[in-house]
Amino acid sequence: QVQLQESGPGLVKPSQTLSLTCSVSGATVNSGNFYWSWIRQPPGKGLEWIAYIYYNGGAFYTPSLESRVHISINTSKNEFSLRLNSVTAADTAVYYCASGNYGTFNWWGQGTPVTVSS
Amino acid sequence: QAVLTQPPSASASLGASVKLTCTLTGGLSHYSIAWHQQQPQKGPRFLMTLNSDGTHFKGDGIPDRFSGSSSGAERYLTISSLQFEDEADYYCQTWATGMRDFGGGTRLTVL
Repeated sequence: QVQLQESGPGLVKPSQTLSLTCSVSGATVNSGNFYWSWIRQPPGKGLEWIAYIYYNGGAFYTPSLESRVHISINTSKNEFSLRLNSVTAADTAVYYCASGNYGTFNWWGQGTPVTVSS
Repeated sequence: QAVLTQPPSASASLGASVKLTCTLTGGLSHYSIAWHQQQPQKGPRFLMTLNSDGTHFKGDGIPDRFSGSSSGAERYLTISSLQFEDEADYYCQTWATGMRDFGGGTRLTVL
């Protein structure tokens, strides 16, 4: 059973960089069996996929955020991370990490809320 | 154009059955999807993957009341013997484009 737990700052000022981490248990991030993803949900809206990374470091991003986002894996800590630059109020959302064997999200974290405000 | 379309809302009575629809657009009718449930104030939960031939594979602990079926570009989630705890947002999701795409979600109300 894979378990995921997000951690983040809660509050970020406009134009700053948002950094989030997802701690993984029950699996290893360098396993070829899993894809590791970030997804967000603005208040009152639906789910938006942001990015995924594979065990070998191969990463894919949603086109609308590709210029501002970076996803990475830390094998020594068994976690993966998201960095989102130049945040605005539109980036206010609950951010989820998720994982699955290929295209699906079989396991989800509980989510971490992020507010962008001065 | 959205890859997946879902009706924004649905409703059914306690104890009845409901069939939620997700439509693959843009010539993607042969691709698989996944269904996820999000209960109020909670994170999403994986329900199942659903193939174009109607075969589906449920996540751990998902009750037998949840099933999936397919017809052409349509993917369905059927919930039988509705319970109040089934009141939730239901999202379909696919990897057909190589990226990951979500439908807009259907909010199910149990009357």
